[in-house]
Amino acid sequence: GQQLNQSPQSMFIQEGEDVSMNCTSSSIFNTWLWYKQDPGEGPVLLIALYKAGELTSNGRLTAQFGITRKDSFLNISASIPSDVGIYFCAGHSSSNTGKLIFGQGTTLQVKP
Amino acid sequence: DAGVIQSPRHEVTEMGQEVTLRCKPISGHDYLFWYRQTMMRGLELLIYFNNNVPIDDSGMPEDRFSAKMPNASFSTLKIQPSEPRDSAVYFCASSWSTGGWNEQYFGPGTRLTVT
Repeated sequence: GQQLNQSPQSMFIQEGEDVSMNCTSSSIFNTWLWYKQDPGEGPVLLIALYKAGELTSNGRLTAQFGITRKDSFLNISASIPSDVGIYFCAGHSSSNTGKLIFGQGTTLQVKP
Repeated sequence: DAGVIQSPRHEVTEMGQEVTLRCKPISGHDYLFWYRQTMMRGLELLIYFNNNVPIDDSGMPEDRFSAKMPNASFSTLKIQPSEPRDSAVYFCASSWSTGGWNEQYFGPGTRLTVT
């Protein structure tokens, strides 16, 4: 079945640094989504991407839909302590009819 | 606006007992999804509904699991009998087909512990 490979698995950075994580797929997706999950809470949608090459920002977060439609990137600029959490990518292809495929998550820790 | 509502937030039960998890999707959403999250397996889709009809239940682990959606504003996930390996966080999510229908919005989850 379809799988998403998300990397890195975890990151430990200093406050103020920029962060970059990515997700790759073996097949083409027509939607990419990025979620953040805080401890004890459900995933919260950060950014949705619908077109190849699309670059979308949400505050300090920027995500891109890869040209090949098989990858996506999330960047966080000038990290702050509240950025701590698990970031998930998710993708949807036309063959999945409503299902999202989720990556394994990137755990981000920020040192003040 | 109220988000997806799940109850209970925490459930502790003994092996063999019946467990019922509840979900109220966002008003107007016509898709509803049940997920299970564990450290080992991550987020797994169990089942999803469209307009109250189950579309894909291929993720339901076994016959001990069942889900219903009697109306557009309520769904249940039942485990009978429960086993320790069912311990996990169960999420409900909803989305709507006329908007960004792939944008699923998650509830806060139910943390289930089976002893």
